[in-house]
Amino acid sequence: GQNIDQPTEMTATEGAIVQINCTYQTSGFNGLFWYQQHAGEAPTFLSYNVLDGLEEKGRFSSFLSRSKGYSYLLLKELQMKDSASYLCAVRSTLDTGRRALTFGSGTRLQVQP
Amino acid sequence: GAVVSQHPSWVICKSGTSVKIECRSLDFQATTMFWYRQFPKQSLMLMATSNEGSKATYEQGVEKDKFLINHASLTLSTLTVTSAHPEDSSFYICSAPTGIKPETQYFGPGTRLLVL
Repeated sequence: GQNIDQPTEMTATEGAIVQINCTYQTSGFNGLFWYQQHAGEAPTFLSYNVLDGLEEKGRFSSFLSRSKGYSYLLLKELQMKDSASYLCAVRSTLDTGRRALTFGSGTRLQVQP
Repeated sequence: GAVVSQHPSWVICKSGTSVKIECRSLDFQATTMFWYRQFPKQSLMLMATSNEGSKATYEQGVEKDKFLINHASLTLSTLTVTSAHPEDSSFYICSAPTGIKPETQYFGPGTRLLVL
């Protein structure tokens, strides 16, 4: 089976940097995804990591260490609109045929002025 | 970019009635679509995998006779909640993999179901 852990809530200040961690255990790893979800809306894709290292996309970066079963999402120059839930999701090789994702419980980020 | 639509976005129904939710891929074909359910302040839980031209694959604990899935074409999957009860009230979201590497899934806007 799969187990994904991430903090429930985080608070940060506008303009600052915040790091949201995610640890996972899976039977065969085949990619880690980060999604952003505003309240009452569907998730939107942020990033994808399948190899170790850092992927940067503008204000958002995502890091992966497969040996540690660990990822983080880094948000820079925080804006009020970044207040949302951030979902870590893992795909396993067992799921490759159907390509479904297993989601963590999500981290609710509150950006304060 | 790839877009997935869902209809309706909101539905309120009486207990015991059936509700049909449509999921469409608008500019790409999806032989597979996924149906998730999300309760308030919880994460998305996969309910079933919808396969075009064949039976859906249900996750453990999801009643296939209650949640009927039909993948009629390469761009349309439907989820029917039969004999809905208040505990079925939830946010139902579909997604479709794009088939483009790195493969991402695009989510529909979701359907909020309230069963009275």
